[in-house]
Amino acid sequence: GQNIDQPTEMTATEGAIVQINCTYQTSGFNGLFWYQQHAGEAPTFLSYNVLDGLEEKGRFSSFLSRSKGYSYLLLKELQMKDSASYLCAVRDPDSGNTPLVFGKGTRLSVIA
Amino acid sequence: ETGVTQTPRHLVMGMTNKKSLKCEQHLGHNAMYWYKQSAKKPLELMFVYSLEERVENNSVPSRFSPECPNSSHLFLHLHTLQPEDSALYLCASSQGWTGSSTDTQYFGPGTRLTVL
Repeated sequence: GQNIDQPTEMTATEGAIVQINCTYQTSGFNGLFWYQQHAGEAPTFLSYNVLDGLEEKGRFSSFLSRSKGYSYLLLKELQMKDSASYLCAVRDPDSGNTPLVFGKGTRLSVIA
Repeated sequence: ETGVTQTPRHLVMGMTNKKSLKCEQHLGHNAMYWYKQSAKKPLELMFVYSLEERVENNSVPSRFSPECPNSSHLFLHLHTLQPEDSALYLCASSQGWTGSSTDTQYFGPGTRLTVL
């Protein structure tokens, strides 16, 4: 079976750092994606991890531990425009032809 | 600007209507996808097309009928829908779909569908 867990909602203060966690249980693993989705807009690609460790891209970083089935997205120097849903998605090659399995998303609210 | 466009952005239809959703990608990709996004639920994959051939149909009701006339265009034909089909329908494309690192999916803005 497949299961991807993320917190439903988080709130953080402008200028602060927030970490959004994602745990997964899948039959196979061939990469983990993070997407950002503002209300009423398209999900936009943020990061891709396939090997253990930290990938840094500006204010956003993503970490992966395959042995723990765990990833997090780290957002630094939060801005109001970072208020959005953050989707964790896992590519499971053992799930047949389904390319990606998505979590329900974490709605982040950045407050002043 | 994601390179994937969808029309219409909003659609209200009755249960007896027939309508179509359109998706176009300008990225030169070979794979295209339809997803359904309902409130408080994960994105649900509906259909996958690779090089204009359907490669995945995740047990979607026949009232949803996809069409992929070429690698840049994807349609979703709708008929006799139910109120529970109201959702955001997202189109996405990727270079391929075999699971390599280049197969990042890029999404369109979606069509917000309301079935009355």
